Amino acid sequence: GENVEQHPSTLSVQEGDSAVIKCTYSDSASNYFPWYKQELGKRPQLIIDIRSNVGEKKDQRIAVTLNKTAKHFSLHITETQPEDSAVYFCAASRDNAGNMLTFGGGTRLMVKP
Amino acid sequence: DADVTQTPRNRITKTGKRIMLECSQTKGHDRMYWYRQDPGLGLQLIYYSFDVKDINKGEISDGYSVSRQAQAKFSLSLESAIPNQTALYFCATSGWGPAGYNEQFFGPGTRLTVL
Repeated sequence: GENVEQHPSTLSVQEGDSAVIKCTYSDSASNYFPWYKQELGKRPQLIIDIRSNVGEKKDQRIAVTLNKTAKHFSLHITETQPEDSAVYFCAASRDNAGNMLTFGGGTRLMVKP
Repeated sequence: DADVTQTPRNRITKTGKRIMLECSQTKGHDRMYWYRQDPGLGLQLIYYSFDVKDINKGEISDGYSVSRQAQAKFSLSLESAIPNQTALYFCATSGWGPAGYNEQFFGPGTRLTVL
């Protein structure tokens, strides 16, 4: 089955700096890669996703890049703010939709004011 | 998402007790999931159901069972709880979302402690 690894497990940045979280996956048939944000004590919520037919997608201060050849994808957050502090999860699916997701272990991002 | 609810939100129980966690959704989605979250391990799939007559084991189903009572309801049971089942449990649904494509929506979670 699919295996998704996520790094780093914790990341501390200064407010205004950029943050990058990386994930690798094992199943070359995976074609949908969402990112979820989980604030303390709350449920995971989808923040951005990418499908295998594109290499990059942006939404304001967040972007995701995908390298299918190397089987890795990354989340980029620019101009970080304290409210970006949360746990971020990457995931992968081979059905091109948000159905059978395999999650990475999560990254705790701390943005210091 | 307020359309996926879980009860109870917190539960403390003792080893050997039977526990049921309930999930309801008003999204009209056919697909529902139960996940377990442990620190540093992300979300692990326990069981999933693609419709009322379809139940499937996930990666960590041992010690758990489920019941899909209706399209809107999916319950998780621990027949005889043990301390290493102490975790945060999430129910989720998947279907068309506001962005116009299929995505997963999570309930608020149930924090279970087994003493």
